[in-house]
Amino acid sequence: GENVEQHPSTLSVQEGDSAVIKCTYSDSASNYFPWYKQELGKGPQLIIDIRSNVGEKKDQRIAVTLNKTAKHFSLHITETQPEDSAVYFCAAPSGYSTLTFGKGTMLLVSP
Amino acid sequence: DVKVTQSSRYLVKRTGEKVFLECVQDMDHENMFWYRQDPGLGLRLIYFSYDVKMKEKGDIPEGYSVSREKKERFSLILESASTNQTSMYLCASSFRGDQPQHFGDGTRLSIL
Repeated sequence: GENVEQHPSTLSVQEGDSAVIKCTYSDSASNYFPWYKQELGKGPQLIIDIRSNVGEKKDQRIAVTLNKTAKHFSLHITETQPEDSAVYFCAAPSGYSTLTFGKGTMLLVSP
Repeated sequence: DVKVTQSSRYLVKRTGEKVFLECVQDMDHENMFWYRQDPGLGLRLIYFSYDVKMKEKGDIPEGYSVSREKKERFSLILESASTNQTSMYLCASSFRGDQPQHFGDGTRLSIL
């Protein structure tokens, strides 16, 4: 099955700095990579995803990059704000319908 | 917007009880999932269903069962609750395998 490693487990930045979270996956056939944000007391929410036919995707202050050769993908958040503080999860397909999730990164943005 | 609703936000039960967690989605999604979330372990898949009355075991099915009698509803059952099943339980749904999963806000279950 798929194995997803996520780093770092915690990340502290100052407001306005950039934050980068990295994930690696094991199955070279994987072709869909979502990122979720989980705020306190809520379920994970999809914030961006990328498919294997593109190398980068942006949505305002967030971007995801994918390197299929190296089997890793990264989430980039620019100009961080306190409301970006949350737990972030990456995921990769582990079957036709299922996802394997990374263990999560707790991002803390200090004002 | 897709809405996934879990019936309880907090639940306290006793060891040995039979516990039902309910989940309803309103977008006619084919797939539904149950995860448990524990600190440092991320989200682990318990069971999923790709159609009415169809179910597949996930990574940690022991001690759990599921029921999907209607497309919009997916139930997780703890046959005889134990303290090691104290956790946050998350339900999710998706249209098909390569589409995003949408999550409910979770049920925090305590087994005493």
